[in-house]
Amino acid sequence: EIVLTQSPATLSLSPGETATLSCRASQSVSIYLAWYQQKPGQAPRLLIYDASYRATGIPARFSGSGSGTDFTLTISSLESDDFAVYYCHHRSNWPPWTFGQGTKVEIK
Amino acid sequence: EVQLVESGGGLVQPGGSLRLSCAVSGFTFRSYEMNWVRQAPGKGLEWISYISSRGINMYYADSVKDRFTISRDNAEDSMYLHMNSLRGEDTALYYCTRGRFSDYWGQGTLVTVSS
Repeated sequence: EIVLTQSPATLSLSPGETATLSCRASQSVSIYLAWYQQKPGQAPRLLIYDASYRATGIPARFSGSGSGTDFTLTISSLESDDFAVYYCHHRSNWPPWTFGQGTKVEIK
Repeated sequence: EVQLVESGGGLVQPGGSLRLSCAVSGFTFRSYEMNWVRQAPGKGLEWISYISSRGINMYYADSVKDRFTISRDNAEDSMYLHMNSLRGEDTALYYCTRGRFSDYWGQGTLVTVSS
């Protein structure tokens, strides 16, 4: 099973700042990694797939990068709506397709 | 508009069974692979099962293997999760999701396993 480790667990930032979230895989997942945003009481929302492609309707301030075992989600110029929990998730060739434990982006 | 609506959750005793349903609309269901993902109260996300578009390939997380069975009815635009031998650790909100990268999610149905 591929383990995804997200860091940091919590990120405290102010609106307008840039958030940099990390996801590290225990073995290569090529580019088959996605990022999701989840707000309290809501279902997760797909932000990024295949490491760097924004999903439909996702603002350009969200960007993803990486391949192999190291991935980054960058949120530029944080808006109040962006404070949430973010998960990475791999969809490499074989299951199980695990999620990271999440990074909470909170208002400083 | 793409919609996924889960149903069938509820309170069940340990060792019991439950069948969850996911009814979809707004897209060609038979063209998409589907998943079940769950979230225990206050915890993170856990992928638990996958079914290919024609229902030929199914995969499961180790935590539910041999207890849960995923299925689908493309004529009815619906997917199911048959859950047997339920345990306390199966208590969670169960989401159905569309596609390889789960681009659409339902709102979830809550399963509580408790005596």
